Amino acid sequence: QKEVEQDPGPLSVPEGAIVSLNCTYSNSAFQYFMWYRQYSRKGPELLMYTYSSGNKEDGRFTAQVDKSSKYISLFIRDSQPSDSATYLCAMKNSGGSNYKLTFGKGTLLTVNP
Amino acid sequence: DAGVIQSPRHEVTEMGQEVTLRCKPISGHDYLFWYRQTMMRGLELLIYFNNNVPIDDSGMPEDRFSAKMPNASFSTLKIQPSEPRDSAVYFCASSLEGGWRPLHFGNGTRLTVT
Repeated sequence: QKEVEQDPGPLSVPEGAIVSLNCTYSNSAFQYFMWYRQYSRKGPELLMYTYSSGNKEDGRFTAQVDKSSKYISLFIRDSQPSDSATYLCAMKNSGGSNYKLTFGKGTLLTVNP
Repeated sequence: DAGVIQSPRHEVTEMGQEVTLRCKPISGHDYLFWYRQTMMRGLELLIYFNNNVPIDDSGMPEDRFSAKMPNASFSTLKIQPSEPRDSAVYFCASSLEGGWRPLHFGNGTRLTVT
């Protein structure tokens, strides 16, 4: 079993739709959970970050972590064409100097006007 | 803030040739990471540095790959000799030290080995 699993999509939705993106993981030591957004021909950029379990909201974006199920989600409300990108989940342990992130393969999202 | 700068943006080379990828991290960042991205394997960490010192190179696929960071503002990833299976997008990223900090990625070098 891979450490992080993410449905690659592609996912195509109409403008204004609610989008749900998900990842599952197997390593119970993961404590930091992130979502990166990657536009075509660009590097990933941090979108959301949560520590341990719970929800975090930032504008139209909500990140959820369920550690008991080893499942994280990113919700996008009122999706816009500018949200069209690949979304990658990423995770890491909390241990000291461990700066290694484990990424999902990414989900390609297209929001159609 | 100019962000992380990578060069070249595209590299096409023939099998067996040496390839050198370059990275300038964000000034003041203590950590530098090299990643490789492919459709099959996603983003893979190759190596990372802290204060110019390699910390973890367990992701470097083979001895054909080597990375250096001679100073705080420059790093190279070298592949010698290159092979077609090395074709991928190579990203450099940097971050600050302390607990957890976000990675700031460059726009990558798209390498094609024919």
